[in-house]
Amino acid sequence: KNEVEQSPQNLTAQEGEFITINCSYSVGISALHWLQQHPGGGIVSLFMLSSGKKKHGRLIATINIQEKHSSLHITASHPRDSAVYICAVSYFGNEKLTFGTGTRLTIIP
Amino acid sequence: SAVISQKPSRDICQRGTSLTIQCQVDSQVTMMFWYRQQPGQSLTLIATANQGSEATYESGFVIDKFPISRPNLTFSTLTVSNMSPEDSSIYLCSAGGGRPEGETQYFGPGTRLLVL
Repeated sequence: KNEVEQSPQNLTAQEGEFITINCSYSVGISALHWLQQHPGGGIVSLFMLSSGKKKHGRLIATINIQEKHSSLHITASHPRDSAVYICAVSYFGNEKLTFGTGTRLTIIP
Repeated sequence: SAVISQKPSRDICQRGTSLTIQCQVDSQVTMMFWYRQQPGQSLTLIATANQGSEATYESGFVIDKFPISRPNLTFSTLTVSNMSPEDSSIYLCSAGGGRPEGETQYFGPGTRLLVL
């Protein structure tokens, strides 16, 4: 069974700080997804990656397949970045996602 | 990318009643999924909605409790039947995630359900 673990569970930081959220998984995957969930409940897909690194605005996602580890970074954090960030993985031959428990990020002005 | 809408966005229901949630995608997609997110928990997959055939349910979820329809490639419904307070959750529809493996899944805004 593939476990997806995220750390930290909760993170509070000052506006402008560099943020890192980590995700580890236990078996080989086809892709890893980073999702953002705001208090209203809706989920936005931030990244889907299977190797290397992707960047979108102030967000950067990296994955190390050998170490089965991914990180989501936020540069110059802002209060509007406050949300729950969820890591999810998909497997070869199976479109279903397995989710981590999420990291609740709070950015203080 | 795909844009997904859900109706209703939220509802408060009485115990024993049923609620049907609609999910509409702005483009044809191969895969559609229904998830439940109980308070303070991560997402749990209820079922995969298959176009033109019965949905594929995950362990712990049954068709009698969560009947699903998918009449075409852009629309699906999930019914929460004979509701109890334990069914109070956010219900999310997603689409995509088809071949090639790992295609991005897009999520709807969710339906927040409270059962009294």
